[in-house]
Amino acid sequence: NAGVTQTPKFQVLKTGQSMTLQCAQDMNHEYMSWYRQDPGMGLRLIHYSVGAGITDQGEVPNGYNVSRSTTEDFPLRLLSAAPSQTSVYFCASSYSGGQGRSNQPQHFGDGTRLSIL
Amino acid sequence: QKEVEQDPGPLSVPEGAIVSLNCTYSNSAFQYFMWYRQYSRKGPELLMYTYSSGNKEDGRFTAQVDKSSKYISLFIRDSQPSDSATYLCAMTDSWGKLQFGAGTQVVVTP
Repeated sequence: NAGVTQTPKFQVLKTGQSMTLQCAQDMNHEYMSWYRQDPGMGLRLIHYSVGAGITDQGEVPNGYNVSRSTTEDFPLRLLSAAPSQTSVYFCASSYSGGQGRSNQPQHFGDGTRLSIL
Repeated sequence: QKEVEQDPGPLSVPEGAIVSLNCTYSNSAFQYFMWYRQYSRKGPELLMYTYSSGNKEDGRFTAQVDKSSKYISLFIRDSQPSDSATYLCAMTDSWGKLQFGAGTQVVVTP
């Protein structure tokens, strides 16, 4: 049971570099999302998708880009890395509650730990 | 002000004790409530999922929702060292996005 798979697990970048965090799920879930987790802040939603070809912004979208060409994959792109983007990034997926609802329990990957120097 | 408030702890209890965790919230439209467990360097793992007010029990875990007080709780009976983790509450209305608490760190000492 693979569930939600995130790669890489760790990454160090220099300010200004770009990179893509990968996320794949094998549960045929319609809904996928990206969160960042910072100490004392809990999980904050960056971007989400209710199906292939459909994405939208969450609470903290600035500096990040997403696309969803297949049901299985939902990559997160950092366009020009900044130290403020140092965080742990989690991808999650779930069944949709219908009509784009996101009230179903989400399944998380084990995260990508990203440091920006 | 955050929509979901959760004491960060740490909460330290002896093995076998009852662990009591709670979250308060301000949005009266929330009706789906969840508790996640997160071990160090791992992703959150769903423990309990409840809809609206009431109690739900699953093994050693009991989740309570009191919508009138905007307060949810998670109780862990007969706690074990393996229960040492961070516990996150999360909630949403029908259409919105999940709002998470900051998480409470629990330490169960043998």
